[in-house]
Amino acid sequence: GAGVSQSPSNKVTEKGKDVELRCDPISGHTALYWYRQSLGQGLEFLIYFQGNSAPDKSGLPSDRFSAERTGGSVSTLTIQRTQQEDSAVYLCASSLAPGLSSYEQYFGPGTRLTVT
Amino acid sequence: ILNVEQSPQSLHVQEGDSTNFTCSFPSSNFYALHWYRWETAKSPEALFVMTLNGDEKKKGRISATLNTKEGYSYLYIKGSQPEDSATYLCAFYAGNQFYFGTGTSLTVIP
Repeated sequence: GAGVSQSPSNKVTEKGKDVELRCDPISGHTALYWYRQSLGQGLEFLIYFQGNSAPDKSGLPSDRFSAERTGGSVSTLTIQRTQQEDSAVYLCASSLAPGLSSYEQYFGPGTRLTVT
Repeated sequence: ILNVEQSPQSLHVQEGDSTNFTCSFPSSNFYALHWYRWETAKSPEALFVMTLNGDEKKKGRISATLNTKEGYSYLYIKGSQPEDSATYLCAFYAGNQFYFGTGTSLTVIP
């Protein structure tokens, strides 16, 4: 079946511009996560959506970052006024049951963001 | 922020060698420990989900053990093959979010 998809796969943008990254989770997965991996760093948690509950935004690095999830499915991560330190691979993952630790996450292919 | 550490950071082994690496995590507030394999230009893929102290999981030549009391998990690869070359990530689930280690990068030399 279809896995998690993300778009675009690559994005080059100028410093100060806004960008939107999209994630389509696996159908029926109620939990959705955004992570990023900066060069030489581990996966950094950004935000977590669980069903219709308020998202856990504790990992968002600044107020320039926001995310929404419409209809419990597609999610968009928006970065406003991009900075060079925002350059990273942004990964989305979904899982079957919200918050249930026994369910593994299925990752998308990521969006490589480069801010020049 | 919880500290999840993986060692070694990178590893080069000859084809046929067996190898292992470590994931260390907090011994309190444990819910689960996940292992993922991340090949270059692909998405991370789940290997194991471990929830109980003493858990041992196996998938082909790859196996993992879990010690929640002392806060570590080992991943073993028996008879490494070039296709095992990847970064192996562990993720500690503390009940609210996942905390990933920085990974162990494995290169298997033919």
